[in-house]
This record gives sequence, C-alpha cells and structure tokens, in this order.
Amino acid sequence: NAGVTQTPKFRILKIGQSMTLQCTQDMNHNYMYWYRQDPGMGLKLIYYSVGAGITDKGEVPNGYNVSRSTTEDFPLRLELAAPSQTSVYFCASNSALSDMYQETQYFGPGTRLLVL
Amino acid sequence: QKEVEQNSGPLSVPEGAIASLNCTYSDRVSQSFFWYRQYSGKSPELIMSIYSNGDKEDGRFTAQLNKASQYVSLLIRDSQPSDSATYLCAAFMKTSYDKVIFGPGTSLSVIP
Repeated sequence: NAGVTQTPKFRILKIGQSMTLQCTQDMNHNYMYWYRQDPGMGLKLIYYSVGAGITDKGEVPNGYNVSRSTTEDFPLRLELAAPSQTSVYFCASNSALSDMYQETQYFGPGTRLLVL
Repeated sequence: QKEVEQNSGPLSVPEGAIASLNCTYSDRVSQSFFWYRQYSGKSPELIMSIYSNGDKEDGRFTAQLNKASQYVSLLIRDSQPSDSATYLCAAFMKTSYDKVIFGPGTSLSVIP
C-alpha cells in the first residue's frame, strides 16, 4: 500500500491564481481530511469527508473548496490564491471503528504552498 | 475555550530525564485521544492512542487519561535527542459527523 499520497510537494503561486492539491489513499478509508499548518502552529481542519459525495466544512474553510467523487480521491481547490494561504497542507484519512472510538489518522507527506 | 489545548512550550529536558506533556479538552470533545509526534518538515505520526481512564504504556511512552479532570498527558521516559519534535494532542470529536481536533502542539527539545 502506498498509503496517503499528495501532489505536488511544493508549489509557488501568484496572488489570484488557482490550483488543486491532490490527495489519494489506497486503504479504502471512508474518512478523509484536509488540514493546514502554519509555521510553529498546530493543524487546522479545512474540510473533511465521511464518504464519496459527502463533505463538510472544518474550522477554516474560507477560500477553499473540495469534492469527493470517489473513495480514493479528495482534492482541495484554491480558487483565488492569497498570501494568507501560504502554509503546509496535509491530507489524512482513517476508517471509524464505532460510535465511540476513532481509528488513527494516516497522514500524507504534505504540500508546501507559497503565495506571492 | 478552545476544544483541545496544550502548553506551547518550548519544553527543554536533559537527555535521560522524563518529559511530561499535557493536554486539556473541552467537555464537547469525545473520549478518544491521540498523541502524534511531528518532526520539523514532516507529517505527524501516531505515538499513542488512549480511550479509557488511567495509564497506557508503550515502551518509553506512557499516556494518561483523566476524564473527570478533562486532561490527557504523555510521559516520555529516558528522553533521547531523537525525541526532539513537536507533540500534537488530538481528540475524536462527535458532532453531526465524526472528526478529529488537534491541539496547537508542544515543542520538545532534549538536550544531550
């Protein structure tokens, strides 16, 4: 298994440009997440999905969009890049065991984005 | 009140000492907790998960959960320079959908 893969690893965008960050997992996980991590800070949830066709906003969704057409893929779209979106973006996935317990999240290697 | 809080640090301990990392959570958060380690420039990796009150040990790591006081801690015995990293506390939170909320992380530096 490749686990969770993300592309690209690094990207520089100009203000106002758009791009899609790709995330794919091959573990048949229903749950997928997008986080951003600013320097010296923790992870902030942008969007998450509990299955194909179902997505919901996290803590910081403004300026982003997602879709989940398949179990494997969960792309994150930036429509009008702004300097405030300079960050490292992590995709993660897991499968829930039950109502009470949550299985560990598996993280991708991250995408480093710089908006100038 | 933030849902998951941690001391931001940095926390410095000498090699061989016990490092103690703490995390508190709001009562909206569910009862499953995780400790992740994150090296600079890398993605988080799971160290421990804990679901029940009490202690859970795995090698040099011990996670402690106290639901009455709403805190979870991570003890690292015989700290090594390779333990120097940021430690993220995370909690499984049930809302309309399940999701995991992360604390801001505590930076640990183990001094040789």
